[in-house]
Amino acid sequence: AQKVTQAQTEISVVEKEDVTLDCVYETRDTTYYLFWYKQPPSGELVFLIRRNSFDEQNEISGRYSWNFQKSTSSFNFTITASQVVDSAVYFCALSEAKGSQGNLIFGKGTKLSVKP
Amino acid sequence: AAGVIQSPRHLIKEKRETATLKCYPIPRHDTVYWYQQGPGQDPQFLISFYEKMQSDKGSIPDRFSAQQFSDYHSELNMSSLELGDSALYFCASSLVGQGVGGYTFGSGTRLTVV
Repeated sequence: AQKVTQAQTEISVVEKEDVTLDCVYETRDTTYYLFWYKQPPSGELVFLIRRNSFDEQNEISGRYSWNFQKSTSSFNFTITASQVVDSAVYFCALSEAKGSQGNLIFGKGTKLSVKP
Repeated sequence: AAGVIQSPRHLIKEKRETATLKCYPIPRHDTVYWYQQGPGQDPQFLISFYEKMQSDKGSIPDRFSAQQFSDYHSELNMSSLELGDSALYFCASSLVGQGVGGYTFGSGTRLTVV
């Protein structure tokens, strides 16, 4: 069965601190996709990244970076030099590739509060 | 670029009433997904359609039904509403061939049942 675990329910940091959000997943499939979404207080789901199971290359996008390690079934997300605008709930999600269609299984989310 | 359009953005209904949520996918996207997100919860998959046929089903109550029309827009119909149906309802669309997760989410419909 598929499962996504975000052990950190809430994290509070002061602006300019670095913060890492943890994500551990479970799946029996060899082909799958992992995602991170940001949900600000306004409620929309903002896509951040998608990674397929065959691509373990880490990725950096501005202040955001992702560390994908299949050996530990983890897909962690780091924000460098956090800003108040980063305050949001962050969801990690998993999808198994079923003929290029599939629904997302979300973790419970991590609420990040960045204080000035 | 065109996004996934959901209407209405907000909806207030009384218990036992019926609600219809609409979703207009990105043009040429052939798959539509519906998710329900309760207060403080993660989004839960309800149902999906591929080329106007139901392709997968999640934790959708029997009181809910959905369909995808010939123009690819989709509607989620909810009857005999209960207080617990109050949630944010998201629609997402994708195109087979882009691989899983060419997902684009709409801004959601916030349903409040009073």
